[in-house]
Amino acid sequence: ETGVTQTPRHLVMGMTNKKSLKCEQHLGHNAMYWYKQSAKKPLELMFVYSLEERVENNSVPSRFSPECPNSSHLFLHLHTLQPEDSALYLCASSQDTSTTYEQYFGPGTRLTVT
Amino acid sequence: QKEVEQNSGPLSVPEGAIASLNCTYSDRGSQSFFWYRQYSGKSPELIMSIYSNGDKEDGRFTAQLNKASQYVSLLIRDSQPSDSATYLCAVTGSSDSGYALNFGKGTSLLVTP
Repeated sequence: ETGVTQTPRHLVMGMTNKKSLKCEQHLGHNAMYWYKQSAKKPLELMFVYSLEERVENNSVPSRFSPECPNSSHLFLHLHTLQPEDSALYLCASSQDTSTTYEQYFGPGTRLTVT
Repeated sequence: QKEVEQNSGPLSVPEGAIASLNCTYSDRGSQSFFWYRQYSGKSPELIMSIYSNGDKEDGRFTAQLNKASQYVSLLIRDSQPSDSATYLCAVTGSSDSGYALNFGKGTSLLVTP
């Protein structure tokens, strides 16, 4: 595996379900990010982790719960989601959180909440 | 509110022509600027980064930055049908959380054979 991988690639869940999205980066980076991409809206930053410590929680509802057990893995735990949470969820990584470092995205998880 | 503005398009250019994509941003202290390409149904792919005023060339791509005008652009020379995609402009901020990328909504480019 190279770059940034995400699983699952597609997910359909009901509003009462609990599911988790997984991201793994193989780039030796120290910072990882969760973004949400909804139709007709810009990418929205959700969470940022630097060396497994959360440094940003961009006013995200508590039904989204991130976890970063080490610098290579990032999870997004989902529970009691709403239909408006349906979107493409993207994981990204960068060398660290310095502004000069480029962020590389994984393929994303297409989430549909029914 | 840190805003990044892009014309949504679609921008249609014939094969072989130069495509010019533009982006303006509101945060005067922004430090880093990126262009991503996103094919339909795929994730964003980084194609260019630029940090100082002027031009930066990489193959058929040239990024141009003018911090005084708060303007960044991407030129694609010898456009190919495979360049048809949405191009996202992303800008970092000037605050302590400057690593946070602010994205525009993207410009859709269509290169016609």
